[in-house]
Amino acid sequence: SQQGEEDPQALSIQEGENATMNCSYKTSINNLQWYRQNSGRGLVHLILIRSNEREKHSGRLRVTLDTSKKSSSLLITASRAADTASYFCATDAGGNTPLVFGKGTRLSVIA
Amino acid sequence: GAVVSQHPSWVICKSGTSVKIECRSLDFQATTMFWYRQFPKQSLMLMATSNEGSKATYEQGVEKDKFLINHASLTLSTLTVTSAHPEDSSFYICSARDSGTGIGELFFGEGSRLTVL
Repeated sequence: SQQGEEDPQALSIQEGENATMNCSYKTSINNLQWYRQNSGRGLVHLILIRSNEREKHSGRLRVTLDTSKKSSSLLITASRAADTASYFCATDAGGNTPLVFGKGTRLSVIA
Repeated sequence: GAVVSQHPSWVICKSGTSVKIECRSLDFQATTMFWYRQFPKQSLMLMATSNEGSKATYEQGVEKDKFLINHASLTLSTLTVTSAHPEDSSFYICSARDSGTGIGELFFGEGSRLTVL
């Protein structure tokens, strides 16, 4: 049951530029999380933003959440070639429910 | 932090054989674990919810007789792909919720890559 939509599906930028990825979802959430996945590898948890939060920062990452629009964005500033990966948003409704993942954005940062 | 261990990390098998993947919560108890499948260049799709001591709940379109799930203890869930075929080749990832905290934080295993020849 995949509910998230992310855009863009693919993004190619030059090193040093900022990368913005967007995520929309359909149902009520407890929190929203962003993950990174390098090709063929497992998930790396990046950041969690709770439903009562609007913005959160972690290093070069900035996440926003608009529960009225059921959308979130992930901004990576001053991108590096090592940021090349797929990025997924995932919504958590809490309780014993699973995370529901968006379709993901494939980010390529060109050195 | 809490760790979820998956084993094996990769496996190659012949068509028609069965493969078992283990998911262990190493330092917490998990009454509920989740199994996801990820095909190349796609997102994670939930296959089933594994409940300790009871039957798993499968998502629509996932064959319960083909993907056997056993959650016999609070720290271990297993996924057995029975009579595997090449179309079952995929990346399988488990996740587990920490039952001991009120937050119910969810942790992911490293994934198991299955290749069926």
